[in-house]
Amino acid sequence: AQSVTQPDIHITVSEGASLELRCNYSYGATPYLFWYVQSPGQGLQLLLKYFSGDTLVQGIKGFEAEFKRSQSSFNLRKPSVHWSDAAEYFCAVGGYNNNDMRFGAGTRLTVKP
Amino acid sequence: NAGVTQTPKFRILKIGQSMTLQCTQDMNHNYMYWYRQDPGMGLKLIYYSVGAGITDKGEVPNGYNVSRSTTEDFPLRLELAAPSQTSVYFCASRRDTNEQFFGPGTRLTVL
Repeated sequence: AQSVTQPDIHITVSEGASLELRCNYSYGATPYLFWYVQSPGQGLQLLLKYFSGDTLVQGIKGFEAEFKRSQSSFNLRKPSVHWSDAAEYFCAVGGYNNNDMRFGAGTRLTVKP
Repeated sequence: NAGVTQTPKFRILKIGQSMTLQCTQDMNHNYMYWYRQDPGMGLKLIYYSVGAGITDKGEVPNGYNVSRSTTEDFPLRLELAAPSQTSVYFCASRRDTNEQFFGPGTRLTVL
C-alpha cells in the first residue's frame, strides 16, 4: 500500500539558514511526488512536483526537491529561509491517475528571527 | 477565476444533525476530491469524482455521501453527525495533470 512518512513533526530554523524537510514514500509503481505548503487557515498550495526526468526539481518560492529512488525519498530544500516560509509542509505520493493520492502527516516549520 | 470555493468556513453541529458542505470550482476541471484533515494525520481522501454523474469512495467514506450533478459542484453530505467527524474538510479539483487545486477548507465541530 502506498504511504508517506514525514519523520519531523516540527522544525525550527533561523531566518537565513538553510532548510531540509524529509519525506519517505512507499509506492508499488512509478511514483508521482508532490510537496504542498499550507499557511494557517488556508488551503494547500503546490510547491513542486516530480513525475519523471531530472531528479532535482525546482519549485516556487525558491524551493527545490530531490528524488532518490534508491532511498525512496523526496526531500525538500531551501538555501535560505525567510520568515514568510513559516507554515506546514506536506509531502504526497500518487500514481499517474492520482485519484488516491496519499499525504504525509506534515512538518510544521517555525522561523526564528 | 475564483478557483475552488467552499462554504461554510466554520460550522458547529450537534450530534445527529446533518449538513452539506458546498464545493464549487470554476476551472472546468473534471476531477474533484473531498479530504478531511485531522491534527497530526495529514489529509485523507473521503470521496472523489471523475466527472459529472460519477463518484467513488476514497480511504475514509463512512458517514458521508456525495453527488456530482454538474462539472462545477461537488457537495459533501454528512448524515447523523458524530464527534469523530470533527475535522477540517478540504475540496480539491484537477484537470488532466496530477496537480490538485485546493479550496480554503471548512472547519467542522460536532458536539
